Amino acid sequence: EVQLMESGGGLVQPGGSLKVSCAASGFTFSSYWMTWVRQAPGKGLEWVANIKQDESEKYYLDSGKGRFVISRDNARNSLHLQMNNLRVEDTAVYYCARIHYADGRYPNIDYWGQGTLVTVSS
Amino acid sequence: DIQMTQSPSSLSASVGDRVTITCRASQSINTHLNWYQQKPGKAPKLLIYAASTLQSGAPSRFSGSGSVTEFTLTISSLQPEDFATYYCQQTYGALTWTFGQGTKVEI
Repeated sequence: EVQLMESGGGLVQPGGSLKVSCAASGFTFSSYWMTWVRQAPGKGLEWVANIKQDESEKYYLDSGKGRFVISRDNARNSLHLQMNNLRVEDTAVYYCARIHYADGRYPNIDYWGQGTLVTVSS
Repeated sequence: DIQMTQSPSSLSASVGDRVTITCRASQSINTHLNWYQQKPGKAPKLLIYAASTLQSGAPSRFSGSGSVTEFTLTISSLQPEDFATYYCQQTYGALTWTFGQGTKVEI
């Protein structure tokens, strides 16, 4: 059974840093692209970042470029999101999720974690 | 960046109704369009990928259609468990993705 379990959320002041992590199990983690998606309280879904299996490609939401760093540890089946210079508008539930390529060319998100809440407030 | 616009933002329907949600892309995305269902306090679930392919385990009353810039999610006969928020997502191009703003389906 595929499982994704986020951790590391919490309260941080504006301008501060936080690292959220995701423990993956039930599948060959090193074979999949992975992604972070966030959801502000009462708002819609917002894609944050993607990372390739070998970390050779990483993509970010424009507002996260230069502040967020996605990384992974394939030996430990873990995914991370380092967030620096946090803003109030970064307050959200952060979901870790697996990317599946249907027919090798149609990416979709087929498994999601339960999310971890990051609150940026003074 | 590719913008995704869903309509309506919310709708009221009854059990047994046929429901249609529309998603428009600001530029061509071929059929790189996915649909998700989200219930309160839960993670989203994949319903449809590549515009029209039903995800394994998703009920057959859900269907998707469209290409280029216009897409539709249809629920053929609304069931009580279908009351939720639905999101489209484009996955075209340089791996920078966007979601629609969501459509809340309520009684």
